[in-house]
Amino acid sequence: AQTVTQSQPEMSVQEAETVTLSCTYDTSENNYYLFWYKQPPSRQMILVIRQEAYKQQNATENRFSVNFQKAAKSFSLKISDSQLGDTAMYFCAFMKQGSYNTDKLIFGTGTRLQVFP
Amino acid sequence: DVKVTQSSRYLVKRTGEKVFLECVQDMDHENMFWYRQDPGLGLRLIYFSYDVKMKEKGDIPEGYSVSREKKERFSLILESASTNQTSMYLCASSLGGWGREGRYEQYFGPGTRLTVT
Repeated sequence: AQTVTQSQPEMSVQEAETVTLSCTYDTSENNYYLFWYKQPPSRQMILVIRQEAYKQQNATENRFSVNFQKAAKSFSLKISDSQLGDTAMYFCAFMKQGSYNTDKLIFGTGTRLQVFP
Repeated sequence: DVKVTQSSRYLVKRTGEKVFLECVQDMDHENMFWYRQDPGLGLRLIYFSYDVKMKEKGDIPEGYSVSREKKERFSLILESASTNQTSMYLCASSLGGWGREGRYEQYFGPGTRLTVT
């Protein structure tokens, strides 16, 4: 069975600074996807960034980038130039790539990020 | 934009009541999911459906059932609510199907915070 571990329950960062959220996972699969989701206070969960395991290049979406280390089973999220609107709960998630009806996400326990002015 | 809506943001029910949580998506997605979110536990999959009238158990199906009579609607049913089912419930949908770009990306509803007293 796959597991996802986020070892930082809470983090804080000052506006305009850079912060890195950690995520490790355990799987015997070779083909899979990894995701970071953001859940702002009292708002809907949205996808921040995704990474296909077969791609060596780290994914980037504007101020958000990942450091994907497949051998180490590590998938950290870096937020550059932090903004107050980045305050949220961040979830790392794993999905096995495979048959038709296995699009199931396995989530970590989340990291609560607070951005201070 | 994909829109996933849930029937209530907040719900208070009494122990033993039958509870229905409704979820509707407007993007003709094949897959729909029900998660439960608890502090320190992240999101856990209760049930999912990959087609009308098709359903599969997730990681924590005990005490829950689901219904999907129409493609756009996925209902979560608590047959006899108990206090340990007090939680945040999130619905999600994804495109699904083979070979479609972005088929696995899940879109979430705003959540229903259920309190069972």
